[in-house]
Amino acid sequence: EVQLVESGGGLVKPGGSLRLSCAASGFSFSAYTMNWVRQAPGKGLEWVSSITSSSSYIYYADSVKGRFTISRDNAKSSLYLQMNSLRAEDTAVYYCTRDPGYSSSPGAFDIWGQGTMVTVSS
Amino acid sequence: SYELTQPPSLSVSPGQTARITCSGDALPKQYAYWYQQKPGQAPVLVIYKDSERPSGIPERFSGSSSGTTVTLTISGVQAEDEADYYCQSADSSDIYVVFGGGTKLTVL
Repeated sequence: EVQLVESGGGLVKPGGSLRLSCAASGFSFSAYTMNWVRQAPGKGLEWVSSITSSSSYIYYADSVKGRFTISRDNAKSSLYLQMNSLRAEDTAVYYCTRDPGYSSSPGAFDIWGQGTMVTVSS
Repeated sequence: SYELTQPPSLSVSPGQTARITCSGDALPKQYAYWYQQKPGQAPVLVIYKDSERPSGIPERFSGSSSGTTVTLTISGVQAEDEADYYCQSADSSDIYVVFGGGTKLTVL
């Protein structure tokens, strides 16, 4: 079964750090661009970051650039998001997603994890 | 920054056709994708590359594109289709992924 399972969410104080992990199974993880997408409580979806299959290209939304770092370990079929200098507005469910490569342009997320909640509050 | 614009809400009766629009300047050059999200669940891809339907998605879901607007059409709406729907695409730089604000579909 194709599956993405996120972990690492929790409650953190403003200015703090957190590292999210995503474990992939059921597909050849190393062949796909992977992404993080977040959703604040009661709000819409927001793309956070993308990383290509061999980590050659990495992109971030302006809202997290300089604070978040995406990485992956293809040997472990795992995706990570290191989040530093966290702010209240980073409070959201964070989803790990797969880009199936329908197009050479970014986008299209065909597999989603169940999400992990990050709460930034004092 | 680039934006995709969707109507916040739409209400239809069972059996009717729902059409959800999404507008953006780069849509003539970039593919659009549509997601369905039910409360407490992760989004599900229902349309890719403007009009293609992933396996397992009912035939009543279809997509189309015309100029700067893409449309998700749900024919013969069922109660189970009540959900939030998001369009998504990329900006003209081919780097940034953008989501529309979402449309809440209510089945009366």
